[in-house]
Amino acid sequence: SQKIEQNSEALNIQEGKTATLTCNYTNYSPAYLQWYRQDPGRGPVFLLLIRENEKEKRKERLKVTFDTTLKQSLFHITASQPADSATYLCALAPQGAGSYQLTFGKGTKLSVIP
Amino acid sequence: GAGVSQSPSNKVTEKGKDVELRCDPISGHTALYWYRQSLGQGLEFLIYFQGNSAPDKSGLPSDRFSAERTGGSVSTLTIQRTQQEDSAVYLCASSSGRANNEQFFGPGTRLTVL
Repeated sequence: SQKIEQNSEALNIQEGKTATLTCNYTNYSPAYLQWYRQDPGRGPVFLLLIRENEKEKRKERLKVTFDTTLKQSLFHITASQPADSATYLCALAPQGAGSYQLTFGKGTKLSVIP
Repeated sequence: GAGVSQSPSNKVTEKGKDVELRCDPISGHTALYWYRQSLGQGLEFLIYFQGNSAPDKSGLPSDRFSAERTGGSVSTLTIQRTQQEDSAVYLCASSSGRANNEQFFGPGTRLTVL
């Protein structure tokens, strides 16, 4: 069965360091992958999308990589700040007509310590 | 412009009662999604509406769950004869409906079934 795993439920890092979050999947051939941020009591907010034929995407302090051979995406936040503390979700969309239907991971809760 | 709104923000009900949850998507968005988020779990897809097409109901967990979207805008998720396991946060999202498009989430409705 299809499975999406985010490396850990929680990750603590020191302010200023680079945070790296992992999203692994099995039995899946995604058309694209998205990353969302979710703060407590709020809905997820879209951050970045990367397609199957793209290796890397950047947006300000954020960088996403996508390795379809390893079946893995890495999400990096450079020069992390306490305001980056949140839960980060990866979501995959299947190939074909059903690409609207995202499957979400359980998320990784990131805490940036001042 | 206004984002996705949901009401009520919190709903406490007794087991066996029916509940209705409402979602107002972003104006002009043709696609609308309902998800369920339980504690410690990822977002679980429930149903998808796209324009005038028949909805994808493949994620609805039982026939106690139903949803409709009137006039291609507002959507209502109805849960009949609620059970304690229905307790969760119900999230609505909308998108422009184009492939690979980001989803805009509402704040969710927290449902507690006593």
